[in-house]
Amino acid sequence: ETGVTQTPRHLVMGMTNKKSLKCEQHLGHNAMYWYKQSAKKPLELMFVYSLEERVENNSVPSRFSPECPNSSHLFLHLHTLQPEDSALYLCASSQESFRTSDYEQYFGPGTRLTVT
Amino acid sequence: ILNVEQSPQSLHVQEGDSTNFTCSFPSSNFYALHWYRWETAKSPEALFVMTLNGDEKKKGRISATLNTKEGYSYLYIKGSQPEDSATYLCAFLSAGNMLTFGGGTRLMVKP
Repeated sequence: ETGVTQTPRHLVMGMTNKKSLKCEQHLGHNAMYWYKQSAKKPLELMFVYSLEERVENNSVPSRFSPECPNSSHLFLHLHTLQPEDSALYLCASSQESFRTSDYEQYFGPGTRLTVT
Repeated sequence: ILNVEQSPQSLHVQEGDSTNFTCSFPSSNFYALHWYRWETAKSPEALFVMTLNGDEKKKGRISATLNTKEGYSYLYIKGSQPEDSATYLCAFLSAGNMLTFGGGTRLMVKP
């Protein structure tokens, strides 16, 4: 049983739609992450939120917009996506910021996104 | 862009075989090396976080070693079982950067 939940588990959206992915962690962690897993590519870190900072991968397009209202919740807002954005989107959390090396990450089950 | 390579990409072994695979990463600015196991239809699960050159960690039949000077880590599975079938991911953390994952090694253990 994971302490990180994600909704929805599956999402099909058109290129003109706006949708949001939700992640919640029940572990009391201070850092949360969004990852993208495309077919036949390594897991790619998109965004990090921790106590005092937000870090983003500069290669992530602006049609992805994260929001972290508190340390337990993380959203990924999606708008005008492209078919190549179809992927598995994973949320993770860790006890401290990713810049602290010793802390493993706990992953949610992911949202399988299909953009038509 | 940091280059994290895992080999082999996939591996088929018989139940009871011992196996190992490799994660290669840049040898400069090392901060930590993570190993995760990702079973189909489940979430990735942390196995080890390694920070010191020469580190060896063990969890049951799975163990890992770390060489930061030459930039590699080995993951060993002793006496593979069908339930070990999964994709094994390593991830490299360098100072001031974000976690960079390798492409994974997909292990299939035949009963």
